[in-house]
Amino acid sequence: ETGVTQTPRHLVMGMTNKKSLKCEQHLGHNAMYWYKQSAKKPLELMFVYSLEERVENNSVPSRFSPECPNSSHLFLHLHTLQPEDSALYLCASSQEREGLDTQYFGPGTRLTVL
Amino acid sequence: AQSVTQLGSHVSVSEGALVLLRCNYSSSVPPYLFWYVQYPNQGLQLLLKYTSAATLVKGINGFEAEFKKSETSFHLTKPSAHMSDAAEYFCAVSVGSNYKLTFGKGTLLTVNP
Repeated sequence: ETGVTQTPRHLVMGMTNKKSLKCEQHLGHNAMYWYKQSAKKPLELMFVYSLEERVENNSVPSRFSPECPNSSHLFLHLHTLQPEDSALYLCASSQEREGLDTQYFGPGTRLTVL
Repeated sequence: AQSVTQLGSHVSVSEGALVLLRCNYSSSVPPYLFWYVQYPNQGLQLLLKYTSAATLVKGINGFEAEFKKSETSFHLTKPSAHMSDAAEYFCAVSVGSNYKLTFGKGTLLTVNP
C-alpha cells in the first residue's frame, strides 16, 4: 500500500449503530486530519492530530470521536449519527515542520446514515 | 481569517480549448495557495502550490496558476483541455499554519468532445 488508505470505502448505517472509519498513511508523516465533504459545501476540517496529540477540534458533535493510536493510523468512531451526517469523509496526512507542508488525501469513505 | 471564493461552480469547455478556473482569496498576511483536483470517487490530489517563490507555478498534468497579489487571485489554467481533465477542482489557502487549510466550494470542470 502506498499513500493514504481509508476503509471502508462505503458505509451504510442506521442512526443507532456504532461504526468506525479507519485511515492509514504510508508516507512517514506525523500529522493526520479528518475532513467532511458534503454536497454543495466546502470541505470542513473536523480534527487534526500532530504527533498523535489532538491539536484541532472544530466544534464537531460528540457523536464523532477520533482516535490516533500512532502516527500512521487514525480512526473516526461514529455513534448515534443523524441523516445530515451523510457525507464523504476524507483523511489526510502531512509532515509537520517549519514552513509549508502539503496535505495528502485518501480516497474517502462515503457514509450514508439512514 | 482567510477565505477562498471560486467563481463558477461549473465550467464547461471543449476538448482542446483553454481551461480557466478562477480563485480569489482573502488574507491579511501573505498566503500559501493550493489547487487540488478530485476525480469521481477519489480523494483530493495536489495539482500545484504557491509558496511565495515564483508567482507563476507549474503543476502536474499541464496545469499552471499565477499568483497576483494586486488582484488577490490564483487562477488555474491549462492551454488545451483533455477529456481526462474532467473533475472537480478546489482552491485552498493556508496562512501561517499548514493545517489551517481553507477550501473553496469547488468548480466542476466538464470537457466536451
